[in-house]
Amino acid sequence: GAGVSQSPRYKVAKRGQDVALRCDPISGHVSLFWYQQALGQGPEFLTYFQNEAQLDKSGLPSDRFFAERPEGSVSTLKIQRTQQEDSAVYLCASSSPAGYGYTFGSGTRLTVV
Amino acid sequence: GIQVEQSPPDLILQEGANSTLRCNFSDSVNNLQWFHQNPWGQLINLFYIPSGTKQNGRLSATTVATERYSLLYISSSQTTDSGVYFCAVEPSGGYNKLIFGAGTRLAVHP
Repeated sequence: GAGVSQSPRYKVAKRGQDVALRCDPISGHVSLFWYQQALGQGPEFLTYFQNEAQLDKSGLPSDRFFAERPEGSVSTLKIQRTQQEDSAVYLCASSSPAGYGYTFGSGTRLTVV
Repeated sequence: GIQVEQSPPDLILQEGANSTLRCNFSDSVNNLQWFHQNPWGQLINLFYIPSGTKQNGRLSATTVATERYSLLYISSSQTTDSGVYFCAVEPSGGYNKLIFGAGTRLAVHP
């Protein structure tokens, strides 16, 4: 596609519920990133994929967070047993090997109540 | 890890004014980008500028990699320029992730 597409745009989850957030990167982009942005702060790195390989997951805040990209294109970020502190905007970005920078999606705003 | 500091944290302008936003970083970088986050939360890539100077309309940016800073210039500001401006760097050493500063919150009033 022309840009990075994320869905859903908004998600309200009850505490303890599992959620799945989807990212569809720009076609042909090898690298895919997930970021978490709390209110009033800059985005913080969660995890990085090169094709289907998850090369860095150092930013995932707990073992309740899990990401996958099984065919090297679409990626899913899953959060199990959501807690209030998980409320944030989750941003996905992709980049090409040419290194012309990163393109971000519109994000998914997750609210845990 | 690398530190990214942006200044000023907040900026209020009258429409038509010019401004300069600064980004300092604490170590060498492969990549530096400036983003504008609009009120709807979309991060728009303004410049990919690991070094040198680039211009795009009323916006321009300069990165002096040897001195570890970058500047974003906004000329003849418009109300649509309002939002948060982020500087983000990719540290050297093949470490593939962007580290963001805390942002500069800009409000342009008519």
